Amino acid sequence: KNEVEQSPQNLTAQEGEFITINCSYSVGISALHWLQQHPGGGIVSLFMLSSGKKKHGRLIATINIQEKHSSLHITASHPRDSAVYICAVKRLVNGGSQGNLIFGKGTKLSVKP
Amino acid sequence: KAGVTQTPRYLIKTRGQQVTLSCSPISGHRSVSWYQQTPGQGLQFLFEYFSETQRNKGNFPGRFSGRQFSNSRSEMNVSTLELGDSALYLCASSLEGVGRRGGYTFGSGTRLTVV
Repeated sequence: KNEVEQSPQNLTAQEGEFITINCSYSVGISALHWLQQHPGGGIVSLFMLSSGKKKHGRLIATINIQEKHSSLHITASHPRDSAVYICAVKRLVNGGSQGNLIFGKGTKLSVKP
Repeated sequence: KAGVTQTPRYLIKTRGQQVTLSCSPISGHRSVSWYQQTPGQGLQFLFEYFSETQRNKGNFPGRFSGRQFSNSRSEMNVSTLELGDSALYLCASSLEGVGRRGGYTFGSGTRLTVV
């Protein structure tokens, strides 16, 4: 079983729809990251979370540390949101923050006009 | 400010050769980490350097190595290339130091094809 599981693997939505991508993890973490990767490979860091909720424009990320679960929401989705969204956790090592990133397999989102 | 710069962007090598990839982090970032991305395995951690010291290493064979210079620029080297080493190699830099939690800025990657 992977240490970081994402669902769904693929997601097709109509423009304007509300989208949720889920991430569950099984290791102790110091932080969780949501990343966006467009065709061509470039990765953009969207959020870094260690608790609670963060919002940036139409994107909202939440994390529940007790349940080891995070969600990424996109409100009023747009075709330009089409990308692969990757959840990554920074493993907690010896109570510090020096662990490496472990990645989910990604969610491929396609938003149709 | 300038982002994370990776060179070269594309590379084609023959089996058995060796390759060196370069990563220049954002100015002031002392942590540089390297990742391999393949269609089958997704993103996997290779290693992380902080202030010229390797701080973490992923589960890759010894053919994969790296180093970091005093200006925080980093290189990774793959010797005796195999077909399975074909991948997108990404580096990321972070302000993170001991006890700090930093976000990551990724480079555009080097796409390596081994033939």
